[in-house]
Amino acid sequence: EMQVVESGGGLVQPGGSLRLSCAASGFTFSDHYMDWVRQAPGKGLEWVGRSRNKVNTYTTEYAASVKGRFTISRDVSKNSLYLHMNSLTTEDTAVYYCARYLTGAGAAGLDIWGQGTVVTVSS
Amino acid sequence: DIQLTQSPSFLSASVGDRVTITCRASQGISSYLAWYQQKPGKAPKLLIYAASTLQGGVPSRFSGSGSGTEFTLTISSLQPEDFGTYYCQQLNSYPITFGQGTRLEIK
Repeated sequence: EMQVVESGGGLVQPGGSLRLSCAASGFTFSDHYMDWVRQAPGKGLEWVGRSRNKVNTYTTEYAASVKGRFTISRDVSKNSLYLHMNSLTTEDTAVYYCARYLTGAGAAGLDIWGQGTVVTVSS
Repeated sequence: DIQLTQSPSFLSASVGDRVTITCRASQGISSYLAWYQQKPGKAPKLLIYAASTLQGGVPSRFSGSGSGTEFTLTISSLQPEDFGTYYCQQLNSYPITFGQGTRLEIK
């Protein structure tokens, strides 16, 4: 079964740091772009960033709201994606989802999502 | 950034109704548009990708159309399990953006 499972969420103080993990299984992790998407309480979905696939040397893109504070990385030996979050503010409080990007000509969508991990930034 | 505007923001409909949700992009995005359904406390589920391609396992009552700046998601005959919030997403250019969502209630 193809799946991704997030972990690492929790309560952190403003200005603090946290690392989220996303463990992938059931598919060739290196072949796929992977995204992070978040959802603040009672709000809509917000794209956070992307890690491209091996062919594209795992380069990354970020939303303006997190650029310079968040970093996406991979450990291909562990089939894992990470979101390193620094200088957290209360605005970063959200459920964070890891999601797989479809591959294929013309394909455009996130087809496999994890259950999400909750990050709460509060003093 | 490309803005996506969904209409309506809220929709109440009866079982069997034909329902249409519109997503308008602030600039052309070709067919790089996806639709998702999200139920409370759950992750989003991909319904449609590339504007009109039905994701595997999604009932055929769901369909998508459009290209450029105007897109629609149609549910041909609403079922009780179709409640939830629907989001469009553009994947044409960075930053990737989502519409604000359309909450669908079953009467």
